[in-house]
Amino acid sequence: EAGVAQSPRYKIIEKRQSVAFWCNPISGHATLYWYQQILGQGPKLLIQFQNNGVVDDSQLPKDRFSAERLKGVDSTLKIQPAKLEDSAVYLCASSLFGRRTDTQYFGPGTRLTVL
Amino acid sequence: AQKITQTQPGMFVQEKEAVTLDCTYDTSDPSYGLFWYKQPSSGEMIFLIYQGSYDQQNATEGRYSLNFQKARKSANLVISASQLGDSAMYFCAMRDEGTGTASKLTFGTGTRLQVTL
Repeated sequence: EAGVAQSPRYKIIEKRQSVAFWCNPISGHATLYWYQQILGQGPKLLIQFQNNGVVDDSQLPKDRFSAERLKGVDSTLKIQPAKLEDSAVYLCASSLFGRRTDTQYFGPGTRLTVL
Repeated sequence: AQKITQTQPGMFVQEKEAVTLDCTYDTSDPSYGLFWYKQPSSGEMIFLIYQGSYDQQNATEGRYSLNFQKARKSANLVISASQLGDSAMYFCAMRDEGTGTASKLTFGTGTRLQVTL
């Protein structure tokens, strides 16, 4: 079974530019998560989708971050405009039903560097 | 609000020895889950083991076991017979398992484990 796929793996941009990350969850997984992991910290949830609806986006900086999950499968996370403090690894995860007892499986992440 | 504390920024262990990684947590939720994930240098978070707050027995998965002490609010990971491939960052995480659909994981700051010959 294929795992969670993410692209690109690495991205370097200058501040005030825009960037987009893509995630394809494990086949059949209804729930998709985006986490931000700043160097030296544990991941922090940005947004949770259940199929194509948003369940939790309370920690998403909505003035610059946006995410969508059209058709309830793959998802895109966008940052516009980027700031220096957005430098981090962006991890996508998925779980089967999104029940609170379902295990979350993570992708390899996208490492963003903002100069 | 949930909080995870990992007080060991780094640990060393010799190959074939056992090692314990500490994790304490704080929550007001009566029903919760505790997790350990491994993050190698490649960046992917690999699920290792899960313990539910109402589980009577400590969880085990191969060489991994979770020492769950509910009264102390601790969920330490024990790795037996360490291997060189165990060298990585290890994160403790928790999740509310009550009502509702939001199921975010709250992570600690991690412990870097280095296995030596």
